[in-house]
Amino acid sequence: GQQLNQSPQSMFIQEGEDVSMNCTSSSIFNTWLWYKQDPGEGPVLLIALYKAGELTSNGRLTAQFGITRKDSFLNISASIPSDVGIYFCAGPGGGTASKLTFGTGTRLQVTL
Amino acid sequence: DAGVTQSPTHLIKTRGQQVTLRCSPISGHKSVSWYQQVLGQGPQFIFQYYEKEERGRGNFPDRFSARQFPNYSSELNVNALLLGDSALYLCASSATVPYGYTFGSGTRLTVV
Repeated sequence: GQQLNQSPQSMFIQEGEDVSMNCTSSSIFNTWLWYKQDPGEGPVLLIALYKAGELTSNGRLTAQFGITRKDSFLNISASIPSDVGIYFCAGPGGGTASKLTFGTGTRLQVTL
Repeated sequence: DAGVTQSPTHLIKTRGQQVTLRCSPISGHKSVSWYQQVLGQGPQFIFQYYEKEERGRGNFPDRFSARQFPNYSSELNVNALLLGDSALYLCASSATVPYGYTFGSGTRLTVV
């Protein structure tokens, strides 16, 4: 089945630093979604990408849809303590358009 | 406006028992999906319902079943519980299929 691999698996950064993470797939996706999950909560949609090469921002977050349609990238600029959490990429597919396949997640911890 | 509401928030069951989890979607949302998130992993798709019809099913055994009611709320049932069913069960709703999902905070199920 489809697999989404995220890297890095976890990262410790200092407040104010920029963060980059990526997501790669074994197959083509037509949509990429980036979610953030805080402890004890459900995932919250951050950015949605619908076209290869697309670059979309949401405040300090910027995500890109890779031109091969097999990868996507998320950047966070000037990180703050509330950026702590797990970031997941996700895409629809896997035999049914109603299904979201989630990545393995990147755990972000921000130190003061 | 209320978000996606799930009940109960926490649940402890014994192996072999049956459990019913409930979800109320955002008002006006006709699509409801269920996901299982085991600790340390991304959510895994279980079911998706739209307009009370099953539109997608993930790779889960027949012990898992769901239904959607005329008011678009949904129930997830799991029979003959196993230790491995311990997880956070997430419900997500959307106005359309398949994108734009909003997740609830989940039900934490522990099987002992």
